[in-house]
Amino acid sequence: LAKTTQPISMDSYEGQEVNITCSHNNIATNDYITWYQQFPSQGPRFIIQGYKTKVTNEVASLFIPADRKSSTLSLPRVSLSDTAVYYCLVAITGGFKTIFGAGTRLFVKA
Amino acid sequence: EAGVAQSPRYKIIEKRQSVAFWCNPISGHATLYWYQQILGQGPKLLIQFQNNGVVDDSQLPKDRFSAERLKGVDSTLKIQPAKLEDSAVYLCASSLAGQGRFQYGYTFGSGTRLTVV
Repeated sequence: LAKTTQPISMDSYEGQEVNITCSHNNIATNDYITWYQQFPSQGPRFIIQGYKTKVTNEVASLFIPADRKSSTLSLPRVSLSDTAVYYCLVAITGGFKTIFGAGTRLFVKA
Repeated sequence: EAGVAQSPRYKIIEKRQSVAFWCNPISGHATLYWYQQILGQGPKLLIQFQNNGVVDDSQLPKDRFSAERLKGVDSTLKIQPAKLEDSAVYLCASSLAGQGRFQYGYTFGSGTRLTVV
């Protein structure tokens, strides 16, 4: 099973760019990488998903190197409302099973 | 698009009692998941349905937990009897989950917070 490793926590200030890196050394050929955001008392919310190179949407960018053993979620110009837990997931080949790690607690300060 | 609906929002029960949680996924989502999230931890998959069939229930404590998804739409998760360590948030999620490739993200409900005293 592909396992992910992320920093437990990160601090940042409003307006800064935040990069959260996730390691997934055992990622399989058909696995996608997905990031979720979770606020207290809410379920995780899909942020972005990618397979290789770079993916960008209105919320974030996802950078995946050629070996795909890691990925970096980039949040441009964070605000206080970006304070949350961010999870990196790697889907098991076949697409029917994913495992959440402990996530990265991002705290954005004014 | 309506989201994933879950009820109740909160539940407090005594140990050894039974409890049931309900989930209504997004219309058209064939895959439904139940997760358990203990405070401070990431969600842990309990069971996954594809339509009304079980795809994976390897982490479901089957001596006390049960789940069903009648007609491939709504789902119910039951705990009987509850233990103190079952105190957690129970999250339901659904997805389109492509054919053999994970192309779509999950959409989660807000969860049911269970406290067992």
